[in-house]
Parts: sequence; structure tokens; C-alpha cells
Amino acid sequence: AQSVAQPEDQVNVAEGNPLTVKCTYSVSGNPYLFWYVQYPNRGLQFLLKYITGDNLVKGSYGFEAEFNKSQTSFHLKKPSALVSDSALYFCAVRDATGTASKLTFGTGTRLQVTL
Amino acid sequence: NAGVTQTPKFQVLKTGQSMTLQCAQDMNHEYMSWYRQDPGMGLRLIHYSVGAGITDQGEVPNGYNVSRSTTEDFPLRLLSAAPSQTSVYFCASSYSAEQETQYFGPGTRLLVL
Repeated sequence: AQSVAQPEDQVNVAEGNPLTVKCTYSVSGNPYLFWYVQYPNRGLQFLLKYITGDNLVKGSYGFEAEFNKSQTSFHLKKPSALVSDSALYFCAVRDATGTASKLTFGTGTRLQVTL
Repeated sequence: NAGVTQTPKFQVLKTGQSMTLQCAQDMNHEYMSWYRQDPGMGLRLIHYSVGAGITDQGEVPNGYNVSRSTTEDFPLRLLSAAPSQTSVYFCASSYSAEQETQYFGPGTRLLVL
């Protein structure tokens, strides 16, 4: 079975500071990894994904994530946080042999960016 | 394109009532899914479909039925609503197994009394 852990319920960052939202995963085969963001009263929006290739993945709104196979992690990062980045962030994984519909999501991390 | 649309936005049901949550997409996506979102539990997959006429169960299928008669529509039916089904429901679609990005609808907030 595949699983995702987001160990922090909330991350607080001052605007302009770098941010990291942590994610670790477990799959039996090769992982496909994703980050989604959810703004209040909205559906999830795709940020970035790792399928294969370069371990550093760049996505929307200046976000990036680093795939670390040995640590089974896929942490989301941004060099300089904005107040508008405040939202709920979900990491998701599926085994490469599974279907696109069978994503497993983490429980989410709320990012709060303050002035 | 409207993307993924869901109706209604909000619904209140009494225990034992049935209802259908509607989901439609206009992107010609083959894959469609239903998730429920509960506090502290992330999103859990209820049912999914890999194409018209094909559906399968996800992680939490009990109490829900789906059908996929067309590529565009993927309704979710609650057969006999229970308070445990109070949740926010999201429909999602993706183009194919190779196209990994899922597109989510705005959600339906359901309250079962």
C-alpha cells in the first residue's frame, strides 16, 4: 500500500523568508509525486510533479520541490514567501504502476505567511 | 473551457435521504475521480473511472454509487445518507494515465443531519 506523511499541521513563515513544507512517502515501486494547493473554499490546484529525471522540480508561483529517494522525501520549497502563499498544501503519491486516478494524499499542511 | 464543474455547492440532507452529486468536465478527460475531504484526513478516494462505462472502487466506497455513461459526466450517488457522510466532496479529472495532472472541481459541501 502507498502512503504519504505530512508531519506538520501548520507552518508559519514571515514574508520574504524561505519556506519548506515537508512530505515523506512510501510506495512499493517507483513513485510519482505531486504537490497541490488549496485556497479557502476552492478545489485543489496542481503545483508541480516529479515523474522521472532531475531531482529538483520547478513548479507554479515560484515553488520547487526536491525528490530524495534515499530519504523517501519530496519537500516543497520557496526561496521567498509571500502572504498570498498562505493556503493548505497537499502532497500526493502513487506507484508508477498504478493509474492516474489512484493518488494517495497526505493530510495537508497549512502554510501561514505573515508580514 | 469551464473545466470541472460540480453541483450543488452546498446541500443539507436528513439521515436516510438519497441524492446525487453532479460532476462534469469539458476537457475530454478519460480519468475521473471522486474524493471526500475531512479535517485531519486529507483527501480520500471514493470511486474512480478510467473511461465511459468503466468504474472502480477507491479507498472509501461504502454508501456511494457511481456510473459513467458519458465521457463528460461522473455523478456520485448517496444511497441512504448518514451523518458520517458529512464532508466536502471533490470531483477530479485527468486526460490519461500518462497525463498525471488532475484537475479539481470547486467542491460540494454536504451536511447530513
